[in-house]
Amino acid sequence: ETGVTQTPRHLVMGMTNKKSLKCEQHLGHNAMYWYKQSAKKPLELMFVYNFKEQTENNSVPSRFSPECPNSSHLFLHLHTLQPEDSALYLCASSQDWRGRTDTQYFGPGTRLTVL
Amino acid sequence: KNQVEQSPQSLIILEGKNCTLQCNYTVSPFSNLRWYKQDTGRGPVSLTIMTFSENTKSNGRYTATLDADTKQSSLHITASQLSDSASYICVVSGTSGTYKYIFGTGTRLKVLA
Repeated sequence: ETGVTQTPRHLVMGMTNKKSLKCEQHLGHNAMYWYKQSAKKPLELMFVYNFKEQTENNSVPSRFSPECPNSSHLFLHLHTLQPEDSALYLCASSQDWRGRTDTQYFGPGTRLTVL
Repeated sequence: KNQVEQSPQSLIILEGKNCTLQCNYTVSPFSNLRWYKQDTGRGPVSLTIMTFSENTKSNGRYTATLDADTKQSSLHITASQLSDSASYICVVSGTSGTYKYIFGTGTRLKVLA
């Protein structure tokens, strides 16, 4: 349960604000992921990092900017968001993104509300 | 188009009863299928993962089946408990060059005392 932590758990921001979401994994994994979960929609993969290198950018708007300083930490920088960006943002990690049977371990998520 | 469809969207059962959740997919070529449990306000937790050659896998009271020919999977929950109340998400991975998970929208299960 505490293998992947996310902060903050809840965030309310205006459209002109700049904020950052933080994710930390304590599992010794090499791959980290950002997902967006909107109500009644499937999880959407946003970004994948493997060994600190971005390997996937799933056509995400530039108002979302990821940063992966090391294999244990992942950030999602937010600026000039829109109300439709309100969602649960989930971070996950796995041993190696190339492992097709790799299990992803998810954090508890950050509930983001954009006013 | 790669898709994962789950049914029913929601389900209410009494504690102690069994239930079965369905997942149909069109992802091709297929690599593996996973079932996750997501409690309200929490991230998903992996229950099972099955590759092409596996047709059943159990994790306690959870048993997943896979029919790769018909592209169907089911998750059977035996002797349900109140703590089983959650969303259950089916996720399919393909073997194409791009690493992607295709997620279903989930089945929301409510177990009543």
